Amino acid sequence: QKEVEQDPGPLSVPEGAIVSLNCTYSNSAFQYFMWYRQYSRKGPELLMYTYSSGNKEDGRFTAQVDKSSKYISLFIRDSQPSDSATYLCAMSVQGGSEKLVFGKGTKLTVNP
Amino acid sequence: DGGITQSPKYLFRKEGQNVTLSCEQNLNHDAMYWYRQDPGQGLRLIYYSQIVNDFQKGDIAEGYSVSREKKESFPLTVTSAQKNPTAFYLCASSVIGAGNTIYFGEGSWLTVV
Repeated sequence: QKEVEQDPGPLSVPEGAIVSLNCTYSNSAFQYFMWYRQYSRKGPELLMYTYSSGNKEDGRFTAQVDKSSKYISLFIRDSQPSDSATYLCAMSVQGGSEKLVFGKGTKLTVNP
Repeated sequence: DGGITQSPKYLFRKEGQNVTLSCEQNLNHDAMYWYRQDPGQGLRLIYYSQIVNDFQKGDIAEGYSVSREKKESFPLTVTSAQKNPTAFYLCASSVIGAGNTIYFGEGSWLTVV
């Protein structure tokens, strides 16, 4: 079983839809959870950061962590064409950032 | 503006040649990283450094070399020993410590022709 699993998609939704992106993981020691957004031919940019379990909201974006199920989610409300990108989940244990483990990314297209 | 600058953005190399990718950051971060991104493979760590004149191999270091002579700079050399060098290379940096997020540059596309 891979340490982090992420459905690669592609995922195509109409503008205004609610988008749900997910990752599952196998290492129960993961404590730090991140979502990165990567536009085509660009470097990833940090979108959301969560420590341990719970929810975090930032504008149209909500990150959820369910450690009991080893499952994290990113919700995008009122999706916009500008949200079209690849979304990468990442997580790490108590340690340095060199131990960050990435999902393979989900490609999202929001159609106007 | 603070950030991570990678150059060149696009690079073509003939087989058998070494090539060096530049990475400079002005974020005052101690740690720097090099990742490789291939379609369907996700991000894979090549090398990382937490202090000047010291660096560690990541998961796929074979065929690559790095140096860290200055805190701000972490160049990556793709040597002729790297069997499949065509890829998107990402430099990143972070503050050292548990759970600290890493920040990425814009990437360099290397194509071997």
